Amino acid sequence: KAGVTQTPRYLIKTRGQQVTLSCSPISGHRSVSWYQQTPGQGLQFLFEYFSETQRNKGNFPGRFSGRQFSNSRSEMNVSTLELGDSALYLCASSLSTGFSGNTIYFGEGSWLTVV
Amino acid sequence: SQQGEEDPQALSIQEGENATMNCSYKTSINNLQWYRQNSGRGLVHLILIRSNEREKHSGRLRVTLDTSKKSSSLLITASRAADTASYFCCFTGNQFYFGTGTSLTVIP
Repeated sequence: KAGVTQTPRYLIKTRGQQVTLSCSPISGHRSVSWYQQTPGQGLQFLFEYFSETQRNKGNFPGRFSGRQFSNSRSEMNVSTLELGDSALYLCASSLSTGFSGNTIYFGEGSWLTVV
Repeated sequence: SQQGEEDPQALSIQEGENATMNCSYKTSINNLQWYRQNSGRGLVHLILIRSNEREKHSGRLRVTLDTSKKSSSLLITASRAADTASYFCCFTGNQFYFGTGTSLTVIP
């Protein structure tokens, strides 16, 4: 069974640009969640999608948005990039919403560098 | 604000020794999960313990949960060099929270 797949793995963007990251969950999983990891702030929850609806949200500005498609694949978008957005962005999937106690499985992440 | 903390921040042990890391949290939780992360890679799920459980085992891993103290511990027995990684606790309150992580180095 294929794991969580994230693309691209590495990318470099310029301040002010926008970026879209993609995540394909494990087959059969309907929940996708996104996280940001930086040396300074550690791992932080961005948002969770289940059945194409955002179910939970962390404390990030509106520049961070996402969506989920009918096949459970998800995209995350960051607009007007700032230097501080440089991070490892992790996507995870679970059978149902992670809040119901399901195991959350992570992808390898997308490394974003903003210059 | 940081909802979870782990200690120690870093731990260095000899192969064959046991490693214990602790996670303390502030919010009420539904469950708590432990993950391993090798440098620059994704998180690998290790074990999940529900709020009504006190202890759980999986191979060389033993996890305890004390909801009255809002703390959990992960014990890795008979450590191996391949266990070298960062370990994070993850718990759900009104959102997903992570601990600050413990960097474990197992010296061959």
